[in-house]
Amino acid sequence: ETGVTQSPTHLIKTRGQQVTLRCSSQSGHNTVSWYQQALGQGPQFIFQYYREEENGRGNFPPRFSGLQFPNYSSELNVNALELDDSALYLCASSLEGTSGNTQYFGPGTRLTVL
Amino acid sequence: KQEVTQIPAALSVPEGENLVLNCSFTDSAIYNLQWFRQDPGKGLTSLLLIQSSQREQTSGRLNASLDKSSGRSTLYIAASQPGDSATYLCAVWGNGNKLVFGAGTILRVKS
Repeated sequence: ETGVTQSPTHLIKTRGQQVTLRCSSQSGHNTVSWYQQALGQGPQFIFQYYREEENGRGNFPPRFSGLQFPNYSSELNVNALELDDSALYLCASSLEGTSGNTQYFGPGTRLTVL
Repeated sequence: KQEVTQIPAALSVPEGENLVLNCSFTDSAIYNLQWFRQDPGKGLTSLLLIQSSQREQTSGRLNASLDKSSGRSTLYIAASQPGDSATYLCAVWGNGNKLVFGAGTILRVKS
């Protein structure tokens, strides 16, 4: 059973650029959630995808968008990057989109915006 | 709006000590509470998950308790080891299909 994987590990972009982060969910999981973790803080929920549909969204602007594919892997896209977008981006997979199931996190993508 | 607070923000103990990390949340309408460990610059490792109907969960040297009515949880670590040094995060799952996290407790166990 493979765990949650994310790519790339690190990324450096400049303000105004666009970025795509990728996540492969754990085998058998159909739900992926994305979180942003700024330095010294706890992760903040961005959105969740369940069976290819958005299934909940946190307090993030529309320039944060996502996608889930038929194999349940997922992408996080951020347009018009700002300096404050610099953070560790974590994805988590779980079985079904409901509460009560353990979330399994990937190693994260460290994004630096200059 | 759910808010999660963790106390203390940082803790340094000598090896072998038993210790308690605290977590409080403002809205008692939760489905479950989860404790995670995070090593520097890394992802999160799930330690324990307590369903709202449960009072505690144990795994090895770790024991987590939940008092939903008072909005509190504790993580007890027995006989701490240098390898336990990490940031410990508490998170609750309520409405909105999301985990709400605290800011974490940074634990250092000195050998």
